[in-house]
Amino acid sequence: DAGITQSPRHKVTETGTPVTLRCHQTENHRYMYWYRQDPGHGLRLIHYSYGVKDTDKGEVSDGYSVSRSKTEDFLLTLESATSSQTSVYFCAISEFGGGAGEEQFFGPGTRLTVL
Amino acid sequence: QKEVEQDPGPLSVPEGAIVSLNCTYSNSAFQYFMWYRQYSRKGPELLMYTYSSGNKEDGRFTAQVDKSSKYISLFIRDSQPSDSATYLCAMSAPGAQKLVFGQGTRLTINP
Repeated sequence: DAGITQSPRHKVTETGTPVTLRCHQTENHRYMYWYRQDPGHGLRLIHYSYGVKDTDKGEVSDGYSVSRSKTEDFLLTLESATSSQTSVYFCAISEFGGGAGEEQFFGPGTRLTVL
Repeated sequence: QKEVEQDPGPLSVPEGAIVSLNCTYSNSAFQYFMWYRQYSRKGPELLMYTYSSGNKEDGRFTAQVDKSSKYISLFIRDSQPSDSATYLCAMSAPGAQKLVFGQGTRLTINP
């Protein structure tokens, strides 16, 4: 299994509070991704990173920010959590991105509930 | 309209049946087509990968790509209860930095 961990694995928080999710990899892959998964919507890309300090937005980036100060860590921050951000969040990594059909390896997910 | 459309199901079939899962897409630049399998409360894992058009077979699984119709399929023969999972199609264009996923189809194989 690809070395990807996510923390925390479960979190319950209140509306308006900031939340940070962490993704850690031991594979030294260049690309890291944050997705959210909701019933009927599949996996939707929030943000991704193509190198240290290099990030870009995905299709559902509003209300989220990311940072990558080291190759192995990619942080997702919900600046002021809302109930619509209740979801399962997955981190994924890949060595070269999707341009050659390369596989993305996924972490175990974080279940976030915003009350 | 989404770039990739996939019927979310759910789909329930008896053990031993042949299962057909499908996705349509609108971006003619897509060249790489994948199927991921996701068990309950787990992350997705790559199941099949196909480049451009054609068929690819791996055991009980066959992936088909029809670029002229912008349509891809995954067939599962002799389906087993262990095949119960959500199946997501994914695709990308040359030079892309990300994959585009379908909504996923939830499949249950009944013993």
